[in-house]
Parts: sequence; structure tokens; C-alpha cells
Amino acid sequence: AQSVTQPDIHITVSEGASLELRCNYSYGATPYLFWYVQSPGQGLQLLLKYFSGDTLVQGIKGFEAEFKRSQSSFNLRKPSVHWSDAAEYFCAVGPHSGNTPLVFGKGTRLSVIA
Amino acid sequence: NAGVTQTPKFQVLKTGQSMTLQCAQDMNHEYMSWYRQDPGMGLRLIHYSVGAGITDQGEVPNGYNVSRSTTEDFPLRLLSAAPSQTSVYFCASRESDEQYFGPGTRLTVT
Repeated sequence: AQSVTQPDIHITVSEGASLELRCNYSYGATPYLFWYVQSPGQGLQLLLKYFSGDTLVQGIKGFEAEFKRSQSSFNLRKPSVHWSDAAEYFCAVGPHSGNTPLVFGKGTRLSVIA
Repeated sequence: NAGVTQTPKFQVLKTGQSMTLQCAQDMNHEYMSWYRQDPGMGLRLIHYSVGAGITDQGEVPNGYNVSRSTTEDFPLRLLSAAPSQTSVYFCASRESDEQYFGPGTRLTVT
């Protein structure tokens, strides 16, 4: 069965520091992988996605993620965090078909301190 | 192009009341879904639909009904609300490479 694990429930980083949010997945075939961000009281916004090709993908707001098939991971990174990045981040996995559900991790809450 | 819209934004119900959460999309997506979001639980899939007339259960379907009479609309019905259904509900529609979410409905059942 497909699953997504985000090992860190809550992370606190200082503004300007680098960030890495972990995501591990279990999936039987070649997956589509996604990272979404949810600001407080808001809906979910797509940060980036991976389908195939270059394993390092760039997203919006200066985020990037690297797909590592051997580790079943799709970690999200940002070199320098801004206070506005404080939010909840969700990793998701799904099939190439658009007709089946995405499976989401439980999320990682990011706090940013001065 | 409004994307995915949800109404209402907020709702308070008493135990046993019924209501329908509305969801509509104008992107002609076949796939639509409903999630609930609770603290520490992430997003849990309630029901989904792969096209008009076709629906299926997700992870937490009990207490909820859906129907899909048109491509655009995918309402979620609570027949007899319970306090355990207090949550934030998100509707989504998907094409192959991206899932779009509505702004959410915050439901409180007292």
C-alpha cells in the first residue's frame, strides 16, 4: 500500500538559516511526488512536483526538492528561510494516472524565529 | 477561471443536524475528492469521484455521503452531524500532474 511519512512533526529554524524537511514514501510504481504548503487558516498551495527526469526540482518561493529513488525520499530544501515561510508543509505521492487519490503525509509544521 | 470553490467558509451545526458542503470546479477535471484535516492527522480522504456518476470511498467515509451528477459539482453531505465531524474540509480536483484545492470549510458540531 502506498504511504508517505514525514518524520518531523514540528521544526523551528532561525530566519536566514537553511531548511530541510524530510519525506519518505512507499509506492509500488514510479510515483508522482508533490510538496504543498498551507499557511495558517489557508488552503493548500502547490510548491513543486516531480514526475521524471532531473531529480532536483525547483519550485516556487525559492524551494527545491530532490528525488532519491534508492532512499524512497523526496526532501524539501530552502537555502535561506524567511519569516513568511512559517506554515505547514505536506508531502504527497500519487500515480501517473489522474484518476486515483493522492496520499498525503501528516505534515510538518515550520516555525521561524528571529 | 475560479478554480475550486467551496461554500460555506464556516458552519456551526448542532448534533443530529444535516447539511451539505458545496464544491465546484471550472477546470473540467474528471477527478474530484473531499478531505478532512484535523490537528496531527494531516489530510484524510473521505470520498472521491473519477467522473460524473462515479464515486468511491476513501479512508474515512463513515457519516458522509457524496454524489456526482455533473463534472463541475461534488457536494458532501452530512446526514446526522456528530461532534467527531468537527474539522476543516477541503475539496480538490485533479488533472494528471496537479491537484487543486479549494479554500476549505471550517465546520463545528456542538
